[in-house]
Amino acid sequence: EAQVTQNPRYLITVTGKKLTVTCSQNMNHEYMSWYRQDPGLGLRQIYYSMNVEVTDKGDVPEGYKVSRKEKRNFPLILESPSPNQTSLYFCASSTGPYTGELFFGEGSRLTVL
Amino acid sequence: AQTVTQSQPEMSVQEAETVTLSCTYDTSENNYYLFWYKQPPSRQMILVIRQEAYKQQNATENRFSVNFQKAAKSFSLKISDSQLGDTAMYFCAFMKQDFGNEKLTFGTGTRLTIIP
Repeated sequence: EAQVTQNPRYLITVTGKKLTVTCSQNMNHEYMSWYRQDPGLGLRQIYYSMNVEVTDKGDVPEGYKVSRKEKRNFPLILESPSPNQTSLYFCASSTGPYTGELFFGEGSRLTVL
Repeated sequence: AQTVTQSQPEMSVQEAETVTLSCTYDTSENNYYLFWYKQPPSRQMILVIRQEAYKQQNATENRFSVNFQKAAKSFSLKISDSQLGDTAMYFCAFMKQDFGNEKLTFGTGTRLTIIP
């Protein structure tokens, strides 16, 4: 089954404790990206990757890092999480470019205390 | 920069009725895509319908159709014969044709409740 898989789905952590949210897709997609969803703000792009070893900032990259060492994986790293990073996070992928369609993971609910 | 506006934070309608969700956007681009995504309580983002800006014909997918007015920068979603399973948050989204970043710019969402 074609899918984008995120882990963990739920996480409660404390300020400053590094964490990684993994994202893996099995569709051989070139393009991957991360979004965060906050009430009243919709979804906003954090980072994106056009292909392996090529990543760039989205609209809200502060406090996040990413890496793309393999085509299928695109982890989101919070080096020192803060409470304002409490959010619902989505990973998405597409064959890119000009496809006009993203496939989303099921979301990861992160709470930073 | 592009912006997407959904002016209806919440809506409700009786089962089997028709409902229209509004969306307007602002862009200087000529080539782009518009989308409606559905987010049920499971949180999954589900693509409902997609429209290419160069196409004059409005997209339809079964009970879902859009009214795309390019000059007015309006993109409304009509749900016919609404069902209980249509209860969800609906997001309108914009994507410009950009070689590289297939970024979706989302509106703030409309929470739709279908009443039995």
